[in-house]
Amino acid sequence: KQEVTQIPAALSVPEGENLVLNCSFTDSAIYNLQWFRQDPGKGLTSLLLIQSSQREQTSGRLNASLDKSSGRSTLYIAASQPGDSATYLCAVDQAGTALIFGKGTTLSVSS
Amino acid sequence: ETGVTQTPRHLVMGMTNKKSLKCEQHLGHNAMYWYKQSAKKPLELMFVYSLEERVENNSVPSRFSPECPNSSHLFLHLHTLQPEDSALYLCASSQGPGSYNEQFFGPGTRLTVL
Repeated sequence: KQEVTQIPAALSVPEGENLVLNCSFTDSAIYNLQWFRQDPGKGLTSLLLIQSSQREQTSGRLNASLDKSSGRSTLYIAASQPGDSATYLCAVDQAGTALIFGKGTTLSVSS
Repeated sequence: ETGVTQTPRHLVMGMTNKKSLKCEQHLGHNAMYWYKQSAKKPLELMFVYSLEERVENNSVPSRFSPECPNSSHLFLHLHTLQPEDSALYLCASSQGPGSYNEQFFGPGTRLTVL
């Protein structure tokens, strides 16, 4: 059974720092991996999707990498801002349909 | 705004009530999903519909009944719920099964069962 783990569970940084969020999964037979952002009480916003054949994806200050063989993904956030404060969720798609989520990393960026 | 809307945004109901959650997507997608997000737990898949056919039912109790009348609309009918069913219910849509199956989520319905 696929399990997704995100470390750390919470992270506090001062504005301007570069940071890395980690995601690991137990079964490397995945179709893709998605990173989402969730603001308190809100739905999920898709940040990046990495297909199983890809190694990384970039969008603005965000860069996500995927190492399928070791079951790991990282989300790199450059020059963090207070507006980046949110919970970041990692999810893997094993069957091309439904996602299996980690519990998330709650990020707080102070000004 | 993701192109996926959900109503109502908040719902309080008693254990004997019957209510329905509604989801609508304006993205031309073929697949729709219901997820449940409880405190301290990861998001859990409840139901998947592809081209209006249910393709996955993740062992959800029968007090939750989904309905997908067309590819743009998805309902979750609620009946005789328990307090532990209180959670954020999220709807999502995507183009359909495949390696580039990016899912887009609605804002959710916050459900409280008294």
